[in-house]
Amino acid sequence: GIQVEQSPPDLILQEGANSTLRCNFSDSVNNLQWFHQNPWGQLINLFYIPSGTKQNGRLSATTVATERYSLLYISSSQTTDSGVYFCAVELAAGNKLTFGGGTRVLVKP
Amino acid sequence: GAVVSQHPSRVICKSGTSVKIECRSLDFQATTMFWYRQFPKQSLMLMATSNEGSKATYEQGVEKDKFLINHASLTLSTLTVTSAHPEDSSFYICSAPPPGVKTQYFGPGTRLLVL
Repeated sequence: GIQVEQSPPDLILQEGANSTLRCNFSDSVNNLQWFHQNPWGQLINLFYIPSGTKQNGRLSATTVATERYSLLYISSSQTTDSGVYFCAVELAAGNKLTFGGGTRVLVKP
Repeated sequence: GAVVSQHPSRVICKSGTSVKIECRSLDFQATTMFWYRQFPKQSLMLMATSNEGSKATYEQGVEKDKFLINHASLTLSTLTVTSAHPEDSSFYICSAPPPGVKTQYFGPGTRLLVL
């Protein structure tokens, strides 16, 4: 099956810092999403981004489908950005998502 | 955005009992819902695809007789963990894609602790 790898596994940031999270996938995908899982476990949709670049406030994402990777940028990090960031891919139409291992982010005040 | 709810949010049960978890799409109809399991400090793993009006499709290694899934209506899927054991303790999350929308929306999850 498809492999989805995220790096780094853990990230500690000082409030205000910028960071880049990476997601590599082993096969062509129909869909790629980034999620933030808050400390209570809720998964929040960040981006639906099978290709190209999108921005939403302090977050932006870029997927280069031909090279099978996606990047999530966090700028001017805040303590509320803490949590686990997952990328998930859909191999073909049908909506089954395969998740990466996640990046655990801690933003210190 | 689309809203998916789960009930209960947390359940503690004794080993050998059965536990039912509900997943509801509140403002859309979902012919398909998905059930995931997440162990502490790990990623989400797909357990099964719940199909309205037909049998669920289980991922390899997931026991269909242990994890019973019923998708009886377009807004409700249930997961029943039968004869639960401590190793079934986990965080169970459902998701559903609204019609015509490519993103998936996730419920808040159910924490199961089997003593």
